Amino acid sequence: DADVTQTPRNRITKTGKRIMLECSQTKGHDRMYWYRQDPGLGLRLIYYSFDVKDINKGEISDGYSVSRQAQAKFSLSLESAIPNQTALYFCATSDKPQAGAYNEQFFGPGTRLTVL
Amino acid sequence: SQKIEQNSEALNIQEGKTATLTCNYTNYSPAYLQWYRQDPGRGPVFLLLIRENEKEKRKERLKVTFDTTLKQSLFHITASQPADSATYLCALASGGGATNKLIFGTGTLLAVQP
Repeated sequence: DADVTQTPRNRITKTGKRIMLECSQTKGHDRMYWYRQDPGLGLRLIYYSFDVKDINKGEISDGYSVSRQAQAKFSLSLESAIPNQTALYFCATSDKPQAGAYNEQFFGPGTRLTVL
Repeated sequence: SQKIEQNSEALNIQEGKTATLTCNYTNYSPAYLQWYRQDPGRGPVFLLLIRENEKEKRKERLKVTFDTTLKQSLFHITASQPADSATYLCALASGGGATNKLIFGTGTLLAVQP
């Protein structure tokens, strides 16, 4: 089974609808991230969470909100979807680094969201 | 402003040759840099990490260099194979090591021809 799962994998919705994307992980990591990927713009950080009570805005948080329901679950919501939120969304996790160490991120398979 | 640049044009090479991908950055002093591989429709997969005080890192057919003076990292795949065809992303640490936040480049598509 995949360590980082995302649901749904594909979603088509209409402008103004509320959408929730869900991410679950079995890696036991404290840190979780939401990114969006657009052609020519690369991966951009939306929100990140270093533990259940620590949630932070990333580079492009406007129009999005998140909820960290448990260590293993991190959800991304679009309160009122608009067409320019059409993108590929990725969840990622990482372990808390030891002093002086740096850790890689583990990505889910992505959710392709289309807002009409 | 902070900027990461990877060659947006696809890199086409012949099987068996060495592929070299470039990552340049400005207005950064990253503590480390990571390289990821991304296949179409899938999430990025971590390949290598190199710290600011390391000049070179190797893993099997992969080699990464990090020149903090030139503000550049080079990613090499030796004896390339068609299975190496993918998009390769570089990512720089944003903030101190404890934050583990990454800023990603846009990626370079590598196509290895048999």
